[in-house]
Amino acid sequence: EVQLVESGGGLVQPGGSLRLSCAASGFTFSSYWMSWVRQAPGKGLEWVANIQQDGSDKHYVDSVKGRFTISRDNAKDSLYLQMNSLRAEDTAVYYCARFGNPPTKYDYWGQGTLVTVSP
Amino acid sequence: QTVVTQEPSFSVSPGGTVTLTCGLSSGSVSTSYNPSWYQQTPGQAPRTLIYNTNTRSSGVPDRFSGSILGSQAALTITGAQADDESDYYCLLYMGSGIWVFGGGTKVTVL
Repeated sequence: EVQLVESGGGLVQPGGSLRLSCAASGFTFSSYWMSWVRQAPGKGLEWVANIQQDGSDKHYVDSVKGRFTISRDNAKDSLYLQMNSLRAEDTAVYYCARFGNPPTKYDYWGQGTLVTVSP
Repeated sequence: QTVVTQEPSFSVSPGGTVTLTCGLSSGSVSTSYNPSWYQQTPGQAPRTLIYNTNTRSSGVPDRFSGSILGSQAALTITGAQADDESDYYCLLYMGSGIWVFGGGTKVTVL
């Protein structure tokens, strides 16, 4: 059974940093593009970042470029999101999601972890 | 920056049919945008319904169908049921590794 379990969310002050993790199981992690998607309270889904199977190709939404870094450790079946210079508008539930093969849609989602940026 | 547009809300009667659309603030949606559709109920993670414009994900009832209608991607629910009451999001590929979700449509079944 495919499982994606996020962790690392919490309360952080503006300008602070946080690192999210996503533990994957039930599939060959190194064979799939992975992604982070977020959802601000009461708002819609927003694609945040993607990473290729071997970590060599990464893409970000403009609003997080230069502040967030997506990475993965295929030996640990884990996906990460390092978030720096956090702003109030980054407050959201962050979902880890797997792109299917070919990578034209999400096929599995985690349950999400809440990040709150507040003084 | 191109915005992906969806109707904010729709109401449908039980057993009725509703078509949600997914467009662009500039230009037309085609199959090259790889449109996909996701269903989300409050407090839950999204669920994949349709991908590659019109392919149903595993386990998705055939009352859900996807298509291109004119210049937009479309999700049609035929024979709506009470548990179809959810938020629906489309996702489009913009090229260069960039994906964009629409703002979502809240569907009420009553």
